[in-house]
Amino acid sequence: DAKTTQPPSMDCAEGRAANLPCNHSTISGNEYVYWYRQIHSQGPQYIIHGLKNNETNEMASLIITEDRKSSTLILPHATLRDTAVYYCIVVGLKNQAGTALIFGKGTTLSVSS
Amino acid sequence: GAVVSQHPSRVICKSGTSVKIECRSLDFQATTMFWYRQFPKQSLMLMATSNEGSKATYEQGVEKDKFLINHASLTLSTLTVTSAHPEDSSFYICSARGPTYNSPLHFGNGTRLTVT
Repeated sequence: DAKTTQPPSMDCAEGRAANLPCNHSTISGNEYVYWYRQIHSQGPQYIIHGLKNNETNEMASLIITEDRKSSTLILPHATLRDTAVYYCIVVGLKNQAGTALIFGKGTTLSVSS
Repeated sequence: GAVVSQHPSRVICKSGTSVKIECRSLDFQATTMFWYRQFPKQSLMLMATSNEGSKATYEQGVEKDKFLINHASLTLSTLTVTSAHPEDSSFYICSARGPTYNSPLHFGNGTRLTVT
């Protein structure tokens, strides 16, 4: 699976949009981009995923560049509860059920008032 | 949405004893579940893949005789840490993929194991 590169930390003011970047320049055509976050002492929480089109759900938006080599997770109005470690993971899904996620170091997002 | 329940959330045991952690998929069946371990200030590390009705697959460096995995039903996988030692103290997290095609992995809330 393709490796990802994320900044180790970011800060965001409460109420502003948080834009978290992820580079995955070696992504292949059948690999998806997944985003998870982990709030301290909890299990990771699924946020969103996409293949090549931009995606939006109630939590966030995912913008994937046309060449698919990078993506941005957008939290439109960050709150203090969004403070967490955010993981960008690229994974192929040839074998759906048997594919684990391999976590990198992620980005620690700190939202302050 | 798909829910994965993990129990207990926190356990303290004495060195040399064994501890069992349960992972249940509450509203879907999971033929495959995954077990991770996380040390303080580190990322999640995949330990093993648990397959219903067959032997688990362990990642390199994970002792299969120490971390016993049983996946006896489509909704339950257990991880038993045998003869626990203080260095086994960690945050253990299970996950399972949701029921439909392209479903994401959902994670339990983890078990904090402290071995004294």
